[in-house]
Amino acid sequence: EAQVTQNPRYLITVTGKKLTVTCSQNMNHEYMSWYRQDPGLGLRQIYYSMNVEVTDKGDVPEGYKVSRKEKRNFPLILESPSPNQTSLYFCASSYRGMRGDTDTQYFGPGTRLTVL
Amino acid sequence: ELKVEQNPLFLSMQEGKNYTIYCNYSTTSDRLYWYRQDPGKSLESLFVLLSNGAVKQEGRLMASLDTKARLSTLHITAAVHDLSATYFCAVEDDSWGKLQFGAGTQVVVTP
Repeated sequence: EAQVTQNPRYLITVTGKKLTVTCSQNMNHEYMSWYRQDPGLGLRQIYYSMNVEVTDKGDVPEGYKVSRKEKRNFPLILESPSPNQTSLYFCASSYRGMRGDTDTQYFGPGTRLTVL
Repeated sequence: ELKVEQNPLFLSMQEGKNYTIYCNYSTTSDRLYWYRQDPGKSLESLFVLLSNGAVKQEGRLMASLDTKARLSTLHITAAVHDLSATYFCAVEDDSWGKLQFGAGTQVVVTP
């Protein structure tokens, strides 16, 4: 079954304690992306990756890191989480051709993060 | 900077009637996406529109893209309760990969 998985699904942590949210897809997709969703602020892109070893900043990258060492995985790292990073996080992936052609973006189930 | 404006933000629909959601954006782009989100759930991709004049249809939903007007519409035909959800458009700017979302349109369909 084609899917994007995220772990953990729920996490409560404290300020400053480093954490990683994993994202994995089984569709051999080139493109992967992280978003956060906040009431009143909507969906905002954090980082995206067009392929292995290629990552770029979205609208709200501050306080986050990503890496794309393998095609299937795109972890989101919070080196020193703060309360303003409390949010619902989604990972997504999609096909990307050499000429930029693309297709359906598949979303993970979401990770609800609370930073105290 | 790319800005995406979606309206209306809330739409109360009567079953059986037709409605349209609008998505305007501020800079050139020929890639636009529509998503649906049910309460407490993740996002589901509805349509990918990749060129001027693109039109896609799935069931009671039809999406179109006019890149010259920088406008996409999501048309709902004969609304049914199952279509109650929040609908988002997202525009990809010219540096491929970077997406900007609209604020979302909360749709409630009542008998």
